Amino acid sequence: EFVLTQSPGTLSLSPGERATLSCRASQFVTNNSLAWYQQKPGQTPRLLIYGASTRATGIPDRFSGSGSGTDFTLTISRLEPEDFAVYFCHNYGYGQDTFGQGTKLEIK
Amino acid sequence: QVQLVQSGAEVKKPGASVKVSCKASGHTFSSLDINWVRQAAGQGLEWVGWMNPRGQTGYAPKFQGRVSMTRDISMNTAYMELRSLTSEDTAIYYCARYMIGAAFDPWGQGTQVTVSS
Repeated sequence: EFVLTQSPGTLSLSPGERATLSCRASQFVTNNSLAWYQQKPGQTPRLLIYGASTRATGIPDRFSGSGSGTDFTLTISRLEPEDFAVYFCHNYGYGQDTFGQGTKLEIK
Repeated sequence: QVQLVQSGAEVKKPGASVKVSCKASGHTFSSLDINWVRQAAGQGLEWVGWMNPRGQTGYAPKFQGRVSMTRDISMNTAYMELRSLTSEDTAIYYCARYMIGAAFDPWGQGTQVTVSS
């Protein structure tokens, strides 16, 4: 069974700080088919990053994705108040998609 | 640009079926690859299955035999039917467009399905 494990479960930071979120796959991720989404309470998930490192249309450049193989990272360089939300990673494209359990980014 | 609009909230009794629709605009519907994802309250995202532009489908093993995904090209609408509902199926169900190599974007607004006796 393919599993994505996100860490930490909750990350407490202040605006202006740098956030680093991790997503580890139980198996090799083919073609870097790894995406990141942001979800705020009561809202639909918003695509941030696909292909492990490509920002989706309209996403600010303070969001960046990196990694390959089994280890991936979402970095938010300087947190803005609107960045506090839940973030999910997602392995896609081969007919058996999997999501990580999410990291909650909260204001310290 | 593609927009996905889903049908309204549903309340069903245990053992019943529910059929959620996802209407697309702004793109040739027959070329869309539509995925379905659900989210229970306060929980993470769970992939349910997909339908590609050729009408082929694939389902997560957990839902195999209990879910069907169909479409009506003339109505620009995709459907997800889930049968033999239990309280554990209570969740928001989302449709989302998959672009090859580019994950899920956009998403529909979600449809709340509540299973309660």
